[in-house]
Amino acid sequence: GENVEQHPSTLSVQEGDSAVIKCTYSDSASNYFPWYKQELGKRPQLIIDIRSNVGEKKDQRIAVTLNKTAKHFSLHITETQPEDSAVYFCAAGGTGFQKLVFGTGTRLLVSP
Amino acid sequence: GAVVSQHPSRVICKSGTSVKIECRSLDFQATTMFWYRQFPKKSLMLMATSNEGSKATYEQGVEKDKFLINHASLTLSTLTVTSAHPEDSSFYICSASYGAGGNEQFFGPGTRLTVL
Repeated sequence: GENVEQHPSTLSVQEGDSAVIKCTYSDSASNYFPWYKQELGKRPQLIIDIRSNVGEKKDQRIAVTLNKTAKHFSLHITETQPEDSAVYFCAAGGTGFQKLVFGTGTRLLVSP
Repeated sequence: GAVVSQHPSRVICKSGTSVKIECRSLDFQATTMFWYRQFPKKSLMLMATSNEGSKATYEQGVEKDKFLINHASLTLSTLTVTSAHPEDSSFYICSASYGAGGNEQFFGPGTRLTVL
């Protein structure tokens, strides 16, 4: 089955800096890669996703890149703000209604 | 759009009792619903995948007789924790997806279960 690894587990940056979180996956059949942001005690919120037919996707300060050959994908947050502080999860999934396998999470702390 | 609710948000029960958690898709028909368990500062661990009108598919290591899942309609799935014990205390989150959106999952707000 699919296995997703995520690094780093914690990331501390200064406000305005960029943050990068990396994930690798094992199943070459996976073709959907979402990123979720979860604040303490709250539900995960989808912030961006990418499908395997695309190499990069950007939405304002957030971007995701995908390298299918190497089976890794990354989340890039530019101009970080204190409100970006949260836990971020990557996930990988297949076609149709198949399940998502989540990474172990990255706790991002943005200091003012 | 794509709102998922969960009820209750918090529940405290005595050891040995059963607890039912409801997951509802409020503004769309959810072909598939998923149930996750999340321990403090940990990732989401998928417990089971539920399709409307059919039996749930449980992940390895999840006891189907312990965690009963029913997906009776396209907008409602329930998780019943039977004969709950303190080790069942956790944050339980459901998610729902629909065909047109592909794999995107919309999450409920979660239910914090505490078993005394």
